Amino acid sequence: QKEVEQDPGPLSVPEGAIVSLNCTYSNSAFQYFMWYRQYSRKGPELLMYTYSSGNKEDGRFTAQVDKSSKYISLFIRDSQPSDSATYLCAMRGGMNRDDKIIFGKGTRLHILP
Amino acid sequence: DTGVSQNPRHKITKRGQNVTFRCDPISEHNRLYWYRQTLGQGPEFLTYFQNEAQLEKSRLLSDRFSAERPKGSFSTLEIQRTEQGDSAMYLCASSNRDNNNEKLFFGSGTQLSVL
Repeated sequence: QKEVEQDPGPLSVPEGAIVSLNCTYSNSAFQYFMWYRQYSRKGPELLMYTYSSGNKEDGRFTAQVDKSSKYISLFIRDSQPSDSATYLCAMRGGMNRDDKIIFGKGTRLHILP
Repeated sequence: DTGVSQNPRHKITKRGQNVTFRCDPISEHNRLYWYRQTLGQGPEFLTYFQNEAQLEKSRLLSDRFSAERPKGSFSTLEIQRTEQGDSAMYLCASSNRDNNNEKLFFGSGTQLSVL
């Protein structure tokens, strides 16, 4: 089993819909959870950063972490065509200062105008 | 622009040639990472530096790969005797790891095509 599992998609939704993206993980030591957005031929861009369990909201984006289920989600409200990109979840531990950030495969999202 | 800068953006080379990529991190960041990304995959860790010290190398990094970060500023990644399997996007990221609250900032990557 891979440390981080993410459905590659593609996921197509109409403009204005709520998008739900998620990842599961196997390492219970993970404490820091991130979502990156990557446009074609560009580097990943940090969207959301959360520590431990709970919710975090930033504009149209909400990140949720459920450590008991080892499951994280990113919700996008009022989706726009400009949200079309690949969304990567990423995570790492925290007890060891040398823990590396591990990425999921990414989910390709298409917002249909 | 004070983000992470990578050069060149694209590199096409013939199998067996050597290539070198450069990364200029965000100036106040003490950590610098190299990742590799192939189509449909997430970034895979290759190596990272804390200032000028190379602290870890992935098993993905064969002996043909070498990275340096002289004086803890920019970094170079060299691939010797390139193979077609080396074709990928090579991403550089930097961060400030003074505490556990570490956030990686990526450059736009160098797309390598080995013919």
